[in-house]
Amino acid sequence: DIQMTQSPSSLSASVGDRVTITCRASQGISNYLAWFQQKPGKAPKSLIYGASVLQRGVPSKFSGSGSGTDFTLTISSLQPEDFATYYCQQYKSFPPTFGQGTKVDI
Amino acid sequence: EVQLVESGGGLVQPGGSLRLSCAASGFTFSTYWMSWVRQAPGKGLEWVANIKQDGSVRHYVDSVKGRFTISRDNAKNSLYLQMNSLRAEDTAVYYCARVNPSYYDSSSGYYIDSFDYWGQGTLVAVSS
Repeated sequence: DIQMTQSPSSLSASVGDRVTITCRASQGISNYLAWFQQKPGKAPKSLIYGASVLQRGVPSKFSGSGSGTDFTLTISSLQPEDFATYYCQQYKSFPPTFGQGTKVDI
Repeated sequence: EVQLVESGGGLVQPGGSLRLSCAASGFTFSTYWMSWVRQAPGKGLEWVANIKQDGSVRHYVDSVKGRFTISRDNAKNSLYLQMNSLRAEDTAVYYCARVNPSYYDSSSGYYIDSFDYWGQGTLVAVSS
C-alpha cells in the first residue's frame, strides 16, 4: 500500500496567517491526490482533487499543488472557520490511503 | 442538495453482526460508485469498500475481506454494509461517501476512489 505522510502533524496559527501543509507519498502518484477538511464530530469535507482542482463551492483561499510524491495544501489567510484537521488522500493505487492528518489550531 | 444519511450503528459484541444503511438523495444514485470509509476513535481515515453503479464490482480493504459485504439497492437509493464476525478493531465511525473522482488502474483492474460527498457517519462499537 502507498503510505501518505503529512507534516507537520499539528500546527498553531493565528487568524490571517498563511498556512502550508505538506503531504508525501511513498511512491509516485502523479496528480491523483485529494485534500479533505474535518472539524470535530463532523464528516470530512472535500476541498481539492487532482492535486490542485478546487471542489465546487470551496473558497479560493485554499490551493493545492504538487505532482509525483510531494504535495502541498495552502490556506492563504486563515479564518476562524478553518481551524480543523486536514487529510490528504491518494487515489492512484489500490487501496486508496489517507495521510495521518494535520491539526490546525489557534 | 446531495445528502447521505447513515444508520444502523450501535454496540455489538465481538463476533456479532451489524448492517449499516446509507440513504442517498439529491443526485442520481444509480450513476455513481459508492464507498464506505471508517474512522476509529481519535484516529485517521481508512477506506473500507466500494461498489460499482450496478453492483457488479466490489472491492474491499484486506482487513475486512470475507467478513464485510457491500451492496446497494438503486431502486431505494440506498447503500449497505453487512458486517459479520466483528472485532474490537472494527470500532469506528462509518461514513458513506460518494465516489468522485476515481482512477482506473488497468494494470491491477481496480478502481481507486476519491470522494466528493460524505454522510454524517454512524458509530459502530465492538465490545463485550
